[in-house]
Amino acid sequence: NAGVTQTPKFRILKIGQSMTLQCTQDMNHNYMYWYRQDPGMGLKLIYYSVGAGITDKGEVPNGYNVSRSTTEDFPLRLELAAPSQTSVYFCASSYPGQIYNQPQHFGDGTRLSIL
Amino acid sequence: GENVEQHPSTLSVQEGDSAVIKCTYSDSASNYFPWYKQELGKRPQLIIDIRSNVGEKKDQRIAVTLNKTAKHFSLHITETQPEDSAVYFCAASPDQTGANNLFFGTGTRLTVIP
Repeated sequence: NAGVTQTPKFRILKIGQSMTLQCTQDMNHNYMYWYRQDPGMGLKLIYYSVGAGITDKGEVPNGYNVSRSTTEDFPLRLELAAPSQTSVYFCASSYPGQIYNQPQHFGDGTRLSIL
Repeated sequence: GENVEQHPSTLSVQEGDSAVIKCTYSDSASNYFPWYKQELGKRPQLIIDIRSNVGEKKDQRIAVTLNKTAKHFSLHITETQPEDSAVYFCAASPDQTGANNLFFGTGTRLTVIP
């Protein structure tokens, strides 16, 4: 199992450009998440998905969009890049919890700079 | 939403000493509390977690305690080693969405001095 795979690892964008951060997992996890981590801070949830075709907003969704057409893939789209979106982006996945949560497994992250 | 506070923000200990990191949470509905270790430039990795039906959990040199009444939980690392140096994050999940969403603390940078 490769686990959670994110591409690209690094990217520099100009203000106003758009891009898609890719995330795929091979653990057959229903739940997937996108977080951003600003320097010296904890992770903030951007969007999440409980299964193919179902997505919902997290704490900081503005400026982002997601889709979930398959169980494996959960891409994150930035439409009009802004300097405030400079951050490290982590994708994560987990099994659904029957009664209690199941652990989330993280990818290696995408370091994004908007200049 | 849930608010998780974490202290201290930095912690230095001598090798072999113990380290304690504390977190508080605001939402009494939270029932899952994981701890993640993040080395520089790497992904967060789960080191231990605790669910609200237990008060303490141990895994070798690592232990976590939970006080639901006071809404706080702590990470204890004993016999610290240089490889324990990293940033540690606590998190809480109120699970009101049914999606196991996590709310993270701001992290503790632990330095173990050889």
